[in-house]
Amino acid sequence: QSLLTQPPSASGTPGQNITISCSGGDSNIGSNSVCWYQQVPGAAPKLLIYISDQRPSGISDRFSGSKSGTSASLAISGLRSEDEADYYCASWDDNLFAYVFGPGTNIAVL
Amino acid sequence: QVKLVQSGAEVRRPGASVKVSCETSGYIFSRYDINWVRQASGQGLEFMGWMNPKSGNTGYAPNFQGRVTLTRNTSMSTAFLQLSNLKSDDTAVYYCARGGPWIPGDFWGQGTQLTVSS
Repeated sequence: QSLLTQPPSASGTPGQNITISCSGGDSNIGSNSVCWYQQVPGAAPKLLIYISDQRPSGISDRFSGSKSGTSASLAISGLRSEDEADYYCASWDDNLFAYVFGPGTNIAVL
Repeated sequence: QVKLVQSGAEVRRPGASVKVSCETSGYIFSRYDINWVRQASGQGLEFMGWMNPKSGNTGYAPNFQGRVTLTRNTSMSTAFLQLSNLKSDDTAVYYCARGGPWIPGDFWGQGTQLTVSS
């Protein structure tokens, strides 16, 4: 049972905007920043967002992150077929002294 | 460019041990943590532990305390994960990742498939 909660799945049509939520607690998201990862089948995770709202070089500005209290969100604007993937949130947990990942959200582009 | 290249697939019997390597290049090895994450087939990502290559200090997630050992060879810019007393539940893809401040991994290895079966 993960300390972070994400919806298992979401879907949208091309061009739509979609938001994925990640809910945690005081010891993780409430005290530390959040990262978001995209993973397609057979590949390693790819960093999309770090420090809750920063994009690494080369990541499209269609991806944006935010954090408020013990929750975080990843927004994808202008959904594209290539956005079909699993998306994971992650945060450091002060009690475990380790990172924790959310269970992942599978995004389908209809 | 930053690269992390892991050793190849492994098959072990229950109760055995395995050691996976992660050879890094394209950056100064001692300046970034190496984190290890695993993923069972069809499942999510599970953080295992971290290592500071400069000091050798390590930290392990509670689920892996006592079974995981993280080491490094600084002259080869290579990190190692050793997992002992293997169980069938340990069958998974194991990833190493370069860690940053509050970042589990900005660059990742290609993954190493471990199969534990009798």
